Amino acid sequence: QQQVKQSPQSLIVQKGGISIINCAYENTAFDYFPWYQQFPGKGPALLIAIRPDVSEKKEGRFTISFNKSAKQFSLHIMDSQPGDSATYFCAASMGGGAQKLVFGQGTRLTINP
Amino acid sequence: NAGVTQTPKFQVLKTGQSMTLQCAQDMNHNSMYWYRQDPGMGLRLIYYSASEGTTDKGEVPNGYNVSRLNKREFSLRLESAAPSQTSVYFCASREHRGDGNTIYFGEGSWLTVV
Repeated sequence: QQQVKQSPQSLIVQKGGISIINCAYENTAFDYFPWYQQFPGKGPALLIAIRPDVSEKKEGRFTISFNKSAKQFSLHIMDSQPGDSATYFCAASMGGGAQKLVFGQGTRLTINP
Repeated sequence: NAGVTQTPKFQVLKTGQSMTLQCAQDMNHNSMYWYRQDPGMGLRLIYYSASEGTTDKGEVPNGYNVSRLNKREFSLRLESAAPSQTSVYFCASREHRGDGNTIYFGEGSWLTVV
């Protein structure tokens, strides 16, 4: 079963616009929610992450919004740039042990100049 | 600082052949992982190793075996390759941090089974 559902599958945004990618999870035991960015031919790299004790985390142009009651979290990219064009994955894991990440299906983001 | 290194980068196998994907990390991490990435399905965990000497199944372990050779190295073996195993394989390792976790991925191994 898909424990983390991500949408949209693809997204096109104009330069300077706001890109928004959404994820929903099922397992309330998840306590760590990272976003990964992947460029073609490369492995995913950690972009930003949040824990459920806060509702928002911002790092530069990237913001995670977290809604614990709705079991949803989203990535907002402000002032989107062509260099942000990549595939983005949300993920979730629960504490203890090896903390295995469960990934969403991915969103291919294209920023048009 | 190499991080997570995977070999080979590309491989074509015939159905029924066997092969091993090698992975090494130089960050002294305890936990290591193997994921596969398929279009529209994100990354799915095949096997993981929480520490040297231990391995456990992930979400999609069938058709694979792993070996945690030492703290640095974690290999993935396909005993009898099938076309359904055509995928991009990523090895990863995890840094234990007080405020969370960072999982570092290698650059991937593209495997085609014909």
